[in-house]
Amino acid sequence: GENVEQHPSTLSVQEGDSAVIKCTYSDSASNYFPWYKQELGKRPQLIIDIRSNVGEKKDQRIAVTLNKTAKHFSLHITETQPEDSAVYFCAAGGKSATNKLIFGTGTLLAVQP
Amino acid sequence: DTGVSQDPRHKITKRGQNVTFRCDPISEHNRLYWYRQTLGQGPEFLTYFQNEAQLEKSRLLSDRFSAERPKGSFSTLEIQRTEQGDSAMYLCASSVTALNTEAFFGQGTRLTVV
Repeated sequence: GENVEQHPSTLSVQEGDSAVIKCTYSDSASNYFPWYKQELGKRPQLIIDIRSNVGEKKDQRIAVTLNKTAKHFSLHITETQPEDSAVYFCAAGGKSATNKLIFGTGTLLAVQP
Repeated sequence: DTGVSQDPRHKITKRGQNVTFRCDPISEHNRLYWYRQTLGQGPEFLTYFQNEAQLEKSRLLSDRFSAERPKGSFSTLEIQRTEQGDSAMYLCASSVTALNTEAFFGQGTRLTVV
């Protein structure tokens, strides 16, 4: 069935360091890959997304890379700040008209000041 | 319109009772989704509406669950004869019609079945 694996489950970095979260998806028909940030007790919020016709996308300190051949995509956060601390979810979608998302299990990122 | 809103935010119910949750999507959004999120997991897809039509249901959605979107605006999710395993955060999301566009999530309804 459809599956998205996400690693690591927890990540602790020092403020100013970079953080990388990796995801692998199973369904080669997926063509939309969003990343959501969820702070404790709050709603998931989109931080960046990428579509299968591009290999990399950057927005300030955040970048996402996509390798469709290997079915891998990754989130890169540079110059981390304490306010980046949250749970990050990757997702895969776009394979059907519903555009439903299959989410990874999440990565708890802790940025130590 | 400040986004997707869900009501109630929290619900505690006794096992065997019925519960109903409401979702008000962003007004111009035709697509509406229900997801369920348990502790330490990502959201899991439950069902999808395009306007008032329910076009997909997950196998996770047992016959105790029913969802409606009668006028293509707000949606309700009802759980009958609740079980402890139903305890979770129920998230609603909406998006415009175009594929591969952002899904905006509500803050969710946290259900606790005791």
